[in-house]
Amino acid sequence: GAGVSQSPSNKVTEKGKDVELRCDPISGHTALYWYRQSLGQGLEFLIYFQGNSAPDKSGLPSDRFSAERTGGSVSTLTIQRTQQEDSAVYLCASSLDSSGANVLTFGAGSRLTVL
Amino acid sequence: GDSVTQMEGPVTLSEEAFLTINCTYTATGYPSLFWYVQYPGEGLQLLLKATKADDKGSNKGFEATYRKETTSFHLEKGSVQVSDSAVYFCALDSGSARQLTFGSGTQLTVLP
Repeated sequence: GAGVSQSPSNKVTEKGKDVELRCDPISGHTALYWYRQSLGQGLEFLIYFQGNSAPDKSGLPSDRFSAERTGGSVSTLTIQRTQQEDSAVYLCASSLDSSGANVLTFGAGSRLTVL
Repeated sequence: GDSVTQMEGPVTLSEEAFLTINCTYTATGYPSLFWYVQYPGEGLQLLLKATKADDKGSNKGFEATYRKETTSFHLEKGSVQVSDSAVYFCALDSGSARQLTFGSGTQLTVLP
């Protein structure tokens, strides 16, 4: 597609429920990133996929968070047993590759509210 | 580790005022530096970048110069418009980790 597409744009869930957030990157972009933007905070790196390499999961805040990228394209971020502190905007970005000056294209984000 | 510190907001200016948003960084090696902008309801988009010392990135009237000696990349615009109201993020790519490191963002509001 023309840009990075994320769904849902808004998600309200109850504490303890699982949620899945989807990211459809720009076609041909081999690198895909997930970031979290909490109110008044900067962007917190979560996970990074590059081609067929093992993902860099160093930013995932707990084992309740996981992500996968199928076929080198669409990615799903899963949060199990959600907590109120998980409330944030989850941003996905993709880039052509991860070499050189790394210019990311971001989606509009998925706003998660945990009640 | 890598880090980015940027001027805390919110910043409120009148139209046609001069804008400076400060950004300093800590990184290994020689990072690439970026300013991203997030307009209301939209995703972040690249505003400008610089890949080596003394480079000046510019776009839409905004400028930032990569200053290695002061580890800074301050964003400036000579005359802001209402349409510049957004959140501005400074970021770096040190090359040692493939993800960008972002500052906390600065909310800019320009009043007519």
